[in-house]
Amino acid sequence: GIQVEQSPPDLILQEGANSTLRCNFSDSVNNLQWFHQNPWGQLINLFYIPSGTKQNGRLSATTVATERYSLLYISSSQTTDSGVYFCAGFYNQGGKLIFGQGTELSVKP
Amino acid sequence: ETGVTQSPTHLIKTRGQQVTLRCSSQSGHNTVSWYQQALGQGPQFIFQYYREEENGRGNFPPRFSGLQFPNYSSELNVNALELDDSALYLCASSLGGTAFTEAFFGQGTRLTVV
Repeated sequence: GIQVEQSPPDLILQEGANSTLRCNFSDSVNNLQWFHQNPWGQLINLFYIPSGTKQNGRLSATTVATERYSLLYISSSQTTDSGVYFCAGFYNQGGKLIFGQGTELSVKP
Repeated sequence: ETGVTQSPTHLIKTRGQQVTLRCSSQSGHNTVSWYQQALGQGPQFIFQYYREEENGRGNFPPRFSGLQFPNYSSELNVNALELDDSALYLCASSLGGTAFTEAFFGQGTRLTVV
């Protein structure tokens, strides 16, 4: 079926810790994006990463399309990193984004 | 370059009423997609508009309808509101219809049906 699965569902960190979020996606889904949903609901673009590795400050992402997974790395976490992280991929037919269920990250001071 | 904007930000409606939500796409983008996000869930695709025509639809009933205007802004209309329609409605802007280009989201409209 058409699937995007994220793990873990919840993550609690101390400020300064590192973390890795995982996204597995099925064959019919491609061209992954990672988002951070802020407390007001807006989805903030983190990475558009069909394949390979990208870095932006303390965040980086890697997608291995042949093995159907993507990873989001957060280093030296800060309280402002708290929120829900979604990965989403485009379904091959129709151009719609299929979202995972999200990882809720809580960074404690 | 302007981002994606949605209005209103919050709305309370009574069951059975009709509602219209609005979205202005990012400058240069010709495609708008709408998503519904229930509490604690990931967003679910409602439909997509490309060059003023519906270009794909998710598993939503016909009382969910939309429009796209020549300037690529869009409206989502929901008739005969039900309590389960209470959700965050998100609009995404991208370039190229079903081409897999990066999508950018507005801040959402939080709809409460009472």
